[in-house]
Amino acid sequence: AQSVAQPEDQVNVAEGNPLTVKCTYSVSGNPYLFWYVQYPNRGLQFLLKYITGDNLVKGSYGFEAEFNKSQTSFHLKKPSALVSDSALYFCAVRGSARQLTFGSGTQLTVLP
Amino acid sequence: DTAVSQTPKYLVTQMGNDKSIKCEQNLGHDTMYWYKQDSKKFLKIMFSYNNKELIINETVPNRFSPKSPDKAHLNLHINSLELGDSAVYFCASSQELPERETQYFGPGTRLLVL
Repeated sequence: AQSVAQPEDQVNVAEGNPLTVKCTYSVSGNPYLFWYVQYPNRGLQFLLKYITGDNLVKGSYGFEAEFNKSQTSFHLKKPSALVSDSALYFCAVRGSARQLTFGSGTQLTVLP
Repeated sequence: DTAVSQTPKYLVTQMGNDKSIKCEQNLGHDTMYWYKQDSKKFLKIMFSYNNKELIINETVPNRFSPKSPDKAHLNLHINSLELGDSAVYFCASSQELPERETQYFGPGTRLLVL
């Protein structure tokens, strides 16, 4: 079985500071890892993914994520947070199973 | 251009009724999905179709029946609605190839069962 853990329900960060949203995973086979963002009353929007290759993946809106195989982690990062980054962030993994498994989500609040 | 669209956006209905939610994608994708997001924002896969063939069918009551008339459409019919069916239902689509496995989501249908 595959699973994703997002250990923080809520992350608060001041505008202009770096942000990190944590994600760890468990999967059979090679992992395909994704980050999605959900704004209030909206669907999920794709941010970035790791399939293979460079462990540092760059995505939309200045976000990046680092794949760490030994720690089975895929943390989302941004060097300088914006108030408009405030949203619900989901990590997801797909291994040998055909479906994506999502984490429980982390609410990011960027304070002005 | 709307890539993945769902209708209706909001659905309020009484217990015991039957309702349908429609989904269409214009991305040319082969695979479509239905997810349920509960009140705690937890997302769970319900069904997946690939080229009109059911490939994922998670533990979902058989009151829920997906139908795919063609690979651009995946509808969800729900019989005998219950209070616990209240949730946001998301449709998504993707190419089947692993390198393109990004799923693109619709805006959601907010179902409230009274």
